[in-house]
Order: sequence, then C-alpha cells, then structure tokens
Amino acid sequence: DQQVKQNSPSLSVQEGRISILNCDYTNSMFDYFLWYKKYPAEGPTFLISISSIKDKNEDGRFTVFLNKSAKHLSLHIVPSQPGDSAVYFCATRGVDSSYKLIFGSGTRLLVRP
Amino acid sequence: EAGVAQSPRYKIIEKRQSVAFWCNPISGHATLYWYQQILGQGPKLLIQFQNNGVVDDSQLPKDRFSAERLKGVDSTLKIQPAKLEDSAVYLCASSPGQKNIQYFGAGTRLSVL
Repeated sequence: DQQVKQNSPSLSVQEGRISILNCDYTNSMFDYFLWYKKYPAEGPTFLISISSIKDKNEDGRFTVFLNKSAKHLSLHIVPSQPGDSAVYFCATRGVDSSYKLIFGSGTRLLVRP
Repeated sequence: EAGVAQSPRYKIIEKRQSVAFWCNPISGHATLYWYQQILGQGPKLLIQFQNNGVVDDSQLPKDRFSAERLKGVDSTLKIQPAKLEDSAVYLCASSPGQKNIQYFGAGTRLSVL
C-alpha cells in the first residue's frame, strides 16, 4: 500500500505560467515532507521541505503548501521555466527511529517554451 | 565538495548471475542509504547504515541481497543470484545524520536479461 501518492504521472505547462504538483499521504503521524527533483541519468536532488508545524514554505520560485487535515501537500513553481522540466518526487520522513524517506511515484513536469 | 560517487553507471547481466555496486558517500557523512528505483516508481529504501552499523534493512530481500559498509565509509551492495525483477536503478545516498537532507548519487542502472 502506498503511503505517499502522486496521482498525476505527468504535467505540461507553458513557460511563465504556474506549475502545481500534488501529493497525498495516508499517515497523520508524518511530520516532515520534502520535494526532490530528478533529471534523466542523474540522482534526485533536494528542492524544498516543510515541517508539519507550518502550512507554507517558500524558496524563490518554489513554494510548498501543506494541508494537514486533508493530508495533502502541493508544490507551486512560479514562473515555470523550461529548465524546470524534470521528474518531481514528493517524500515524507518515516516516523520510526530510522527517519527513512518514503517516496511517491513522481510527476513528470514538462515546461513548454 | 565532491558528491556521492557510484559505479558502475550501467550493468547488464543474465538472470542467476551475481552483481555488485559500489558507493562512496560525501566525506564526513555518517549515514548511507541504498535505494531501488523501479521504472515508473519512486525510490524504495533497501538498507540504511549509520557509520558501519545497520539501522534499517526491513525491505532488503536478504535471501539474495547483501550490503556492507566496512570502516563506515564506502559501501557495496550485492545481488546473488539476480532475478528479472531486480532490473532497476540502484541509488546510493548519504547524509550527515539520519534527520538531515539526503544527497543522491547518479545511480547504477541494472538490466537483468
């Protein structure tokens, strides 16, 4: 059973517009969430994170929103650029002592020039 | 600062053969992770080391997979014997500690024929 779900396998957006990537999770005990970006033939790279004590975290063009009651988070990219085209993974830190990351299946973002 | 190094980048083997992957983490990082990423899925943790001790290997198929991190620095992951379903990208990551951001290597793409 998937504890972190990214229901949209792909998303296509025009350059300059907003990209919104969504993620749902099942366990209300999860308290820390991350987004990673992955280009082809490279490993995932950390993008932005949010703690459950916040509902928003912003870093430049990237903003993550957390809705704890809905067990939902989203990543907003404004404005979107062609270089943002990549696969985006949502992840949460597990609640056991290992703090291991649990990843969603990813959303492939294509930003059209 | 050098990133996480992995080798080889690609490996093609036949089923029932053995294969080994190598990872050199970022200098000074105490925590090392091996993930398996099957096409269309997110990375799944196989094993996590803290220095040279195992923190979590609950998702490691121990009948065929083994991993070690001698001296608490670099690590090897072995599959013996390989099955068709082991075809995946094997990612190594490291972090200063268990609660810190994880940095990923580029991965080893394994094809089992």
